[in-house]
Amino acid sequence: QQQVKQSPQSLIVQKGGISIINCAYENTAFDYFPWYQQFPGKGPALLIAIRPDVSEKKEGRFTISFNKSAKQFSLHIMDSQPGDSATYFCAAQPSISSGSARQLTFGSGTQLTVLP
Amino acid sequence: GAVVSQHPSRVICKSGTSVKIECRSLDFQATTMFWYRQFPKQSLMLMATSNEGSKATYEQGVEKDKFLINHASLTLSTLTVTSAHPEDSSFYICSAKLLLGTGPTDTQYFGPGTRLTVL
Repeated sequence: QQQVKQSPQSLIVQKGGISIINCAYENTAFDYFPWYQQFPGKGPALLIAIRPDVSEKKEGRFTISFNKSAKQFSLHIMDSQPGDSATYFCAAQPSISSGSARQLTFGSGTQLTVLP
Repeated sequence: GAVVSQHPSRVICKSGTSVKIECRSLDFQATTMFWYRQFPKQSLMLMATSNEGSKATYEQGVEKDKFLINHASLTLSTLTVTSAHPEDSSFYICSAKLLLGTGPTDTQYFGPGTRLTVL
């Protein structure tokens, strides 16, 4: 129930295209859904995050779409650039009321390659 | 803001030695720090959660006597890999959450990671 399933495992997109990465979860206690970007040999960096009370959040070229009933959320990268080539992880965290330690559960990651 | 540093960034040691990795929150105080391990092309695996002044909580399967965690202050946590062996070679990453009452406590800010190679 703690698992977060992420797809695809790898994604190749042309420069200027839209990159879409999907995640699904089962635990209804999750109430915070961040996306992290990780470059090789570096730690993950927070990209954007959403809570279930909104269906979409946009920051620059990055948009999270959230479907609470389907328990799915996705990351859209508009106008993808070669510099966006990295590994992207979705994650989910339980709410305070769940009584848990509120640790992040990570998806398996998506390796994005944006071709010039 | 919300910068987390790790030291060292890379360490190579001989089998049987101990290695200490430091994790510092540079511009904020952290109630909770987390330690992760990441193998090549894999996701982050949580090893333990540490709260300042208390014992760390280890995930199932993580040997607490092998991976010693000390969270002595609100800005510093250390992970010591004792009697390291080649199978301990990995990328170790820490993260930190803001001190309760000082700001949003949902976000985990990650350090740059430490590459441990045990020969």
